[in-house]
Amino acid sequence: EAGVTQFPSHSVIEKGQTVTLRCDPISGHDNLYWYRRVMGKEIKFLLHFVKESKQDESGMPNNRFLAERTGGTYSTLKVQPAELEDSGVYFCASSQLRPDSLYEQYFGPGTRLTVT
Amino acid sequence: AQSVTQPDIHITVSEGASLELRCNYSYGATPYLFWYVQSPGQGLQLLLKYFSGDTLVQGIKGFEAEFKRSQSSFNLRKPSVHWSDAAEYFCAVGDRQGAQKLVFGQGTRLTINP
Repeated sequence: EAGVTQFPSHSVIEKGQTVTLRCDPISGHDNLYWYRRVMGKEIKFLLHFVKESKQDESGMPNNRFLAERTGGTYSTLKVQPAELEDSGVYFCASSQLRPDSLYEQYFGPGTRLTVT
Repeated sequence: AQSVTQPDIHITVSEGASLELRCNYSYGATPYLFWYVQSPGQGLQLLLKYFSGDTLVQGIKGFEAEFKRSQSSFNLRKPSVHWSDAAEYFCAVGDRQGAQKLVFGQGTRLTINP
């Protein structure tokens, strides 16, 4: 079974540019989560999709961040325009909808975003 | 608000030695508790979890963790570490009341001396 995949693995952009991160969850996983780790800090929750619907976006830092999950499969996270403080590692995770599996979140390797 | 504290940013142990990584949480009730490990270039892998029942939880790769309600702790242990255990370890809590997001500690980087 393929794991959670993320693309790209690393992105370097200039301040003011736009970047789109992609996450492909494990097949059949209806829950999809985005997290971010800023250097030296803890991993923080950004948002949670159930299928194509946003269940919880309480962690999104501001309206420069836009997440989508069209069709309930892969998800994209767009940052526009990027600022220096957006640098960090963006993780995607997925889990099944079954009650006993809700918290068994499988994480991807992350996308390292560097804004210069 | 929930918070998780991992007091040790970096720990170095010798191969074959025992290991204990500390984790304390702040939460109004007993949350769900997790330990994840991240090896270089890999995603976070779930080592073990505590939902209820026996407070000593066994996980993968020979790890175990003990939930102590009185101390709000969930420390991770391994009796004898291997060089392949070198990685970063994260303690996390989940809200029992519905929000499925995980709240993570700052992580502990483990270095193994040969």
